[in-house]
Order: sequence, then structure tokens, then C-alpha cells
Amino acid sequence: NAGVTQTPKFQVLKTGQSMTLQCAQDMNHEYMSWYRQDPGMGLRLIHYSVGAGITDQGEVPNGYNVSRSTTEDFPLRLLSAAPSQTSVYFCASSYSGDSYNSPLHFGNGTRLTVT
Amino acid sequence: GQQVMQIPQYQHVQEGEDFTTYCNSSTTLSNIQWYKQRPGGHPVFLIQLVKSGEVKKQKRLTFQFGEAKKNSSLHITATQTTDVGTYFCAVPITGGGNKLTFGTGTQLKVEL
Repeated sequence: NAGVTQTPKFQVLKTGQSMTLQCAQDMNHEYMSWYRQDPGMGLRLIHYSVGAGITDQGEVPNGYNVSRSTTEDFPLRLLSAAPSQTSVYFCASSYSGDSYNSPLHFGNGTRLTVT
Repeated sequence: GQQVMQIPQYQHVQEGEDFTTYCNSSTTLSNIQWYKQRPGGHPVFLIQLVKSGEVKKQKRLTFQFGEAKKNSSLHITATQTTDVGTYFCAVPITGGGNKLTFGTGTQLKVEL
């Protein structure tokens, strides 16, 4: 049982480049989300999805796009990378879109550096 | 949006000493969750508290939810080196769903 799988683990981009961070879960979870983690700032929600075909913005969505064409996959796209997007990115999923008794399961993270 | 303050930011203890981290909200919470992140790792769910005044224990860890459901604490008795990591509280973002706002975390270091 793989859980939540994120790829790549590490990535270095130049300013202006685009890329997609992959996230897949094999637990049939309805809810999926993306967080970024920066020193001293905890985890901040970028985008989330309550089911296939449905996405919405979190606290810090600017510069990122998402789509949810299947239950399993929730890729995060950086359209034009900026140094401010240097961070560790975590994908997280849960059984339902309700916070009760539905803890988040996190992937191992992608460490992104934008130069 | 929903904000939660977590203190202290850092805690450095000798092995065997106790440790406590606190989360405080200005608004009443429906529930609060706690996560642990080991150095270089990802957050892992520890527990969820729902009821006013609730106390839950997991071995040496004791979690409390305040009577007014505006604050919570995590207490570790007799810390061990395996307790090293950052502890986060997380609360639902207003508007429903499983969107969580995370506290800034308390980084625990344990010295032998």
C-alpha cells in the first residue's frame, strides 16, 4: 500500500520555467490538497479538491494551477517559476472532505529550488 | 481567515524532561488535530480532539482540548530522543471541508 506518492523528490528550476509536481494516492480518498512549507511559517494551503472534477483555492494559490481528472491524481502546476516559490511542497489526502475523523495523509514532499 | 498561534517556537530539553506545546485560537473550534513531523520527513497525524475539555493519552503523550474549545495542548512526559521533531496543531478553516490551517509548529530537540 503506497499511500500518497509524490514525484519528484527534488527539483531545481530557473526563474520563468514551468513544471508539474505529481501526486497520486491509492487509498480511494475523496479529498486531496497541496501545501507548501517554509521555515517559520508552518504549512500553508495552496489548492484543494473534494473530488474528481472539483478544485478550489486555498490560502496561497497565486502562481499555481491544479486539476483533478481522476480520484487518484492531483498534479500541481507552476506556470512560471519564481524564487518566492522555493519551498517544500506536500500533497495530502483524506478519506472525506469532512475534518471529523478524516485525518490528512501526507506524501514525502518535493523540495523545489528556483534560482 | 482562521489563524492559530502555537508556542513555543522551539524547545530544547534534556532526555527525561517533560515538554509542552500550546495552540491558541481567537475563535471557537469545531475540532483540533495534532501532527508530528520528524526532521526531513512529512507530517504524520497523531490525534483529533472534538469535545470540550477532552483529554486523550497516547503512551507518554497527553492531549487536551480547552473547555471553551479555543485552545489545546500537547504534553510529553519524560521525553526520549525518538520524540525529536516538530509538532503542529491544525484546525479547520472556516467554510467547511477538510481544509486545515496549521500552526507554525514547535520544534523539539532532545539532548542525551
